[in-house]
Amino acid sequence: GQNIDQPTEMTATEGAIVQINCTYQTSGFNGLFWYQQHAGEAPTFLSYNVLDGLEEKGRFSSFLSRSKGYSYLLLKELQMKDSASYLCAVSPFGGGDDKIIFGKGTRLHILP
Amino acid sequence: DTAVSQTPKYLVTQMGNDKSIKCEQNLGHDTMYWYKQDSKKFLKIMFSYNNKELIINETVPNRFSPKSPDKAHLNLHINSLELGDSAVYFCASSPTSTEAFFGQGTRLTVV
Repeated sequence: GQNIDQPTEMTATEGAIVQINCTYQTSGFNGLFWYQQHAGEAPTFLSYNVLDGLEEKGRFSSFLSRSKGYSYLLLKELQMKDSASYLCAVSPFGGGDDKIIFGKGTRLHILP
Repeated sequence: DTAVSQTPKYLVTQMGNDKSIKCEQNLGHDTMYWYKQDSKKFLKIMFSYNNKELIINETVPNRFSPKSPDKAHLNLHINSLELGDSAVYFCASSPTSTEAFFGQGTRLTVV
């Protein structure tokens, strides 16, 4: 089966750093995504990891360990606008069988 | 120059009705999806189309049927709507195995 786990909610303070973890068990692996979704809006793409290691993009970084089935999203210098849900998603297959499976999302609350 | 657009944004309808949600993408992607996001914000894939061929059909009721007149469109038809169908439905498209681009969602409320 396919399973993606991430914490339901997290709280952090403006200006701080927060790490959102994601673990996955899928029948295959062809990449891991992080999406941000503000309330009432569509998910927007943040990052894509297919190889092990850290990918940095501005205030956001994403890490992947394929052997451990583990990823995290690191948000630095938190701003109030970062209050949103963060969705971990995995593409389990390749070769034309395209499917992206989403975790249930982590709702991040930023306190002033 | 919206990349993925879906209409309507809001849809309120009575039980038993038949309704459609339209989706269009101008990104030239080969694959389009329909997702259902429930009240707990869980995104679950419903259908995936690749070059007008259904390649994934999750275990959704057959009251739901995707229709793709061409590569840029994937519409969702729902027959005999039920209360439990109330949710936000997202259309998305992607080039093979990379990021998905989402439409703004259609909030369906069945009364």
